[in-house]
Amino acid sequence: QSVLTQPPSVSGAPGQRVTISCTGSSIGAGNHVHWYRQLPGSAPKLLIFDNNSRPSGVPGRISGSKSGTSASLAISGLRTEDEADYYCQSYDSSPSGSHVVFGGGTKLTVL
Amino acid sequence: QLQLQESGPRLVKPSETLSLTCSVSGGSISSTDNYWGWIRQPPGKGLEWIGTLYYGETTFYNPSLGGRLTISVDTSKNQMSLKVNSVTAADTAVYYCSTQDLSDSSHDHWGQGTLVTVSS
Repeated sequence: QSVLTQPPSVSGAPGQRVTISCTGSSIGAGNHVHWYRQLPGSAPKLLIFDNNSRPSGVPGRISGSKSGTSASLAISGLRTEDEADYYCQSYDSSPSGSHVVFGGGTKLTVL
Repeated sequence: QLQLQESGPRLVKPSETLSLTCSVSGGSISSTDNYWGWIRQPPGKGLEWIGTLYYGETTFYNPSLGGRLTISVDTSKNQMSLKVNSVTAADTAVYYCSTQDLSDSSHDHWGQGTLVTVSS
């Protein structure tokens, strides 16, 4: 069971806008949230860092936000190549220190 | 351009030790420009953080993996290694190495991953 909760699946038609949520108390504690895209058979790729920043090469139609104990990834102008698994990542605290936690992942289907 | 490549045995017997290497090219494992991490993904499941190496010395491990982990660096070979002791079928996964940004610890570069199966 993930510390961060994501919907198992979302879908949208080409050109539409979809959002993927990520919820957890560790997000409300002020920790940064990052998002990754994983195409079938490939390694994950960093999509959003520090809640809402895009690495070089990630298009502006992909954005991130954070409010309270939730974060969201939004993809507008949906394309078939956006069909992939998406994971959020943040941090949690334990007696041994802060450690990385991932959400359970969301499968995006482009209809 | 920085490239990471995982390697090691693809099949490990239960109760034995899983050993993997992450070879770094286009950069140095001794670099203080980033941290180094391991992540795994069981077949058909989500990502699980294994551990992070800070400045070649300090390590933080996933507490849920019960103290079976060792991450270390071989600077002469420009490699990072991962050892998981006393493996079971639950350790079957694709194992990835990555770099982590210094300021926010996001995993910004990933290896292609290697599938390790635990089976007798």
